[in-house]
Order: sequence, then C-alpha cells, then structure tokens
Amino acid sequence: GESVGLHLPTLSVQEGDNSIINCAYSNSASDYFIWYKQESGKGPQFIIDIRSNMDKRQGQRVTVLLNKTVKHLSLQIAATQPGDSAVYFCAENEQMNTGFQKLVFGTGTRLLVSP
Amino acid sequence: EADIYQTPRYLVIGTGKKITLECSQTMGHDKMYWYQQDPGMELHLIHYSYGVNSTEKGDLSSESTVSRIRTEHFPLTLESARPSHTSQYLCASSELMGGPNPDTQYFGPGTRLTVL
Repeated sequence: GESVGLHLPTLSVQEGDNSIINCAYSNSASDYFIWYKQESGKGPQFIIDIRSNMDKRQGQRVTVLLNKTVKHLSLQIAATQPGDSAVYFCAENEQMNTGFQKLVFGTGTRLLVSP
Repeated sequence: EADIYQTPRYLVIGTGKKITLECSQTMGHDKMYWYQQDPGMELHLIHYSYGVNSTEKGDLSSESTVSRIRTEHFPLTLESARPSHTSQYLCASSELMGGPNPDTQYFGPGTRLTVL
C-alpha cells in the first residue's frame, strides 16, 4: 500500500538558520499534500498545502516544494525561530472510491531550534 | 485558527470503565474524523463521518464507536476501557467537497487517555 515517510527523524538547527524538512511519498496518484506542525501536547496545526499541479508554494516564512518525478516533498522554514521547534508531519491526500478524502501521515520529523 | 474543541484534555481511568471523548466544531464542517496517535508516531484514522447520521470505520481497527447526531458534535465512546486503549485521540474536521478548501483537515487539541 501507499506510504508517506520522512527521511530524518530529528533535525537540529541554530536560530536564524533555514530549515529543510523532507518527505517521500509513494502514491503517484496523490494530488494534494499538507504539512502540519505539532507542538507537544497539542493537535496538528495546518502550515501549508500544495496541489499536484504546482511545484512550489510560499507562505509566511515557509515554502513547500513538490517534485513529482521523484515523489518528494519538502518544507523550508526561513529564519528558524525557537517557536518553530515541534514535530512536522507531511500528509498525502488519498481519494477513496466512495469519494472520501483521507490523509496518510508520515511518522514525523522533530525540529529542534537552539539559540 | 480552527474552532474545534475536545474534552477532556487528559483522562486517567481504570480498566473496564465506559468513557466518552467529546469533540465539537463551530465551523459548520460536514466531515469529521477521529485519529489515534501514540507519542511521536504517525496518526491513524479510526473513524470518520460525512455528515449527520453518517459514520464509517477508518484504517485502524478500533473497539471504540462514534455517533453523529448533530453536525457540530462527533463523540467517541469506549464501552470498556483497557490498557491497550492508552493513547492520544485527535478529532478533526474538514469541509465537504466542493468548498474552497475541501481537503484541509483542522485538528482539535487532542485527548490523552491513560487506562490503568
């Protein structure tokens, strides 16, 4: 079955650096991808999404890049701040035959930002 | 900021007790979901609903049940809690397809359940 995985379980960066979190997906039919941020004791918080007809999408300090050729997704965080420390999940949207849209989550990457 | 709420936030309960985890959203979303998440691990879908009177089982088998009598409310019930049910339970909602953002799910803060 399809899977969504992350290359690095933990990423440590210095405050002010740019962070890049990577994600591989296996379902070439997926047409929607989401990045979530989950802080300790909280539910996942939507960061940014991208549809498969796009290669890049920018938000506030975040950029998502999609490479459909190698089925790779990345989240770039500019000028990383201590408040960015969290676990980041990529998720792939899968449309079931019933029309229901479900999200397939990876295991997450923990981002640690040191001052 | 998503308006989706879960209570209780933390629950410690003995084996065999019946529990209900509450989830409500004020966004008028038709679709709602329950996920189970162990610490540091991925989320697993256990239940979902298209709308009122609709409930379906997700990918991960669960002994819990859900109901959807009102659009805004999607409670999860465990008739007899066991230590294997210890986990974090996350509720989410999204717009029905056809809306401007049909696929984005918004999550509540979660309920951390511990069964002794």
